[in-house]
Amino acid sequence: DVKVTQSSRYLVKRTGEKVFLECVQDMDHENMFWYRQDPGLGLRLIYFSYDVKMKEKGDIPEGYSVSREKKERFSLILESASTNQTSMYLCASSLSAQGAFFGQGTRLTVV
Amino acid sequence: RKEVEQDPGPFNVPEGATVAFNCTYSNSASQSFFWYRQDCRKEPKLLMSVYSSGNEDGRFTAQLNRASQYISLLIRDSKLSDSATYLCVVNDFGGYNKLIFGAGTRLAVHP
Repeated sequence: DVKVTQSSRYLVKRTGEKVFLECVQDMDHENMFWYRQDPGLGLRLIYFSYDVKMKEKGDIPEGYSVSREKKERFSLILESASTNQTSMYLCASSLSAQGAFFGQGTRLTVV
Repeated sequence: RKEVEQDPGPFNVPEGATVAFNCTYSNSASQSFFWYRQDCRKEPKLLMSVYSSGNEDGRFTAQLNRASQYISLLIRDSKLSDSATYLCVVNDFGGYNKLIFGAGTRLAVHP
């Protein structure tokens, strides 16, 4: 079974803090993704990576950065958290052109 | 125009009914298509891939119409446990395996 693990289920951070969301997959997938999901807006792609140290912007990259130093780990960084970044964050991984598998999600609240 | 569009529903159907969802996509170069299921406050889970010739998995049938750029999901003999949001997903293969999600169609199956 594919396992995608996100480091936290729930996080509460203060405005202006630097926030790290970690994601690890154990299936040697080359592709990894970060999405955020908000009511009425569906899943929106923030960043994705198709190889170690490679990254591409998704549809809403502003205010975020990513890091992929190892194949199994893809980190999402909120440089200076703001209240409009309160959301559910979902990490996923996939192999080539196949469907992706998701982690359980991190519900981030910025106060 | 959104890249992937779905009717948000909700579709309210009785147990045993047959229900169909459609989804349209804008990029004619898209090559891979999927249906995901998402339960309330859970991560999306891959339900099935969609192949050009159409494919079936038990009570679920997926179809792809490339000429009209839409995919469909048919659920026969609906069960209470089918109640969920169904997400249409397109691999926007512009050189990378970028998965684009529709906003989802909500299904509620009642006794």
